[in-house]
Amino acid sequence: AQTVTQSQPEMSVQEAETVTLSCTYDTSESNYYLFWYKQPPSRQMILVIRQEAYKQQNATENRFSVNFQKAAKSFSLKISDSQLGDTAMYFCAFMKRGTGNQFYFGTGTSLTVIP
Amino acid sequence: DAGVTQSPTHLIKTRGQHVTLRCSPISGHKSVSWYQQVLGQGPQFIFQYYEKEERGRGNFPDRFSARQFPNYSSELNVNALLLGDSALYLCASSLTGTGVYEQYFGPGTRLTVT
Repeated sequence: AQTVTQSQPEMSVQEAETVTLSCTYDTSESNYYLFWYKQPPSRQMILVIRQEAYKQQNATENRFSVNFQKAAKSFSLKISDSQLGDTAMYFCAFMKRGTGNQFYFGTGTSLTVIP
Repeated sequence: DAGVTQSPTHLIKTRGQHVTLRCSPISGHKSVSWYQQVLGQGPQFIFQYYEKEERGRGNFPDRFSARQFPNYSSELNVNALLLGDSALYLCASSLTGTGVYEQYFGPGTRLTVT
C-alpha cells in the first residue's frame, strides 16, 4: 500500500515571498507519478505540478517547482513570488504508473498568503 | 469545452437512506474516478472506471457501488447511509485509464447525512 504524509497542516507566507511545502511518501513501486494539487476555497481541485518518478530532473511550472528526492521518498513544492491567489489547501498525491486516476492523497497543507 | 460536471451540488439525506451521485466527464474522456473527501482530510479513492469497466476499487464497504454508462458518464451509489458518509464526493476524469494524461476534477457533491 502507498502512504503520503504532509507534516505541515498549516503554513503562511508573506506576499511575494517564497514558501516550501513538504511531502513524503512510502511505496514499494518503482514506476509512479507524484503530484501537487491545489484546492481553493471554491473547492475544485486544480493540478499544480506533476513529476514522473523515472525523470531525475525536477519539474517546474512558472512559479512552482518541486524538489524530488527519490531515494528519500520526498517531494516538496516550492512556490516563489507568492500571490494572494495561492491561498488554498495543497495536496500531495501519488499514483502508480498504469493505474489511471487512482490517486493516494496526503492530508493537505493549508497555505495562507498574507498581504 | 465544459469541465467535469457533478450533480447535485449539495444534498441532505437521513441515515439508512440511499443516494445517487452523478458525474459527467470532459468530452472525449473515457475514464472516471470517484473520491470521498471528509472535512479536513485528503480525498480517498473509491472507484475507477474505464470504458465502462471497473478498473480499481478502494477500501470502501459494499454499500458503495458505481457504474459507467456508454456516454462515459458515471453514477456513484451509496446504500444504507451512515453519519460517517457525510463528505464531499469528487469525480475526476481522464482521457484514458492509464494515468499518462492529466486528470481533471469536478467541483464535487457535498453530502450531509443526518
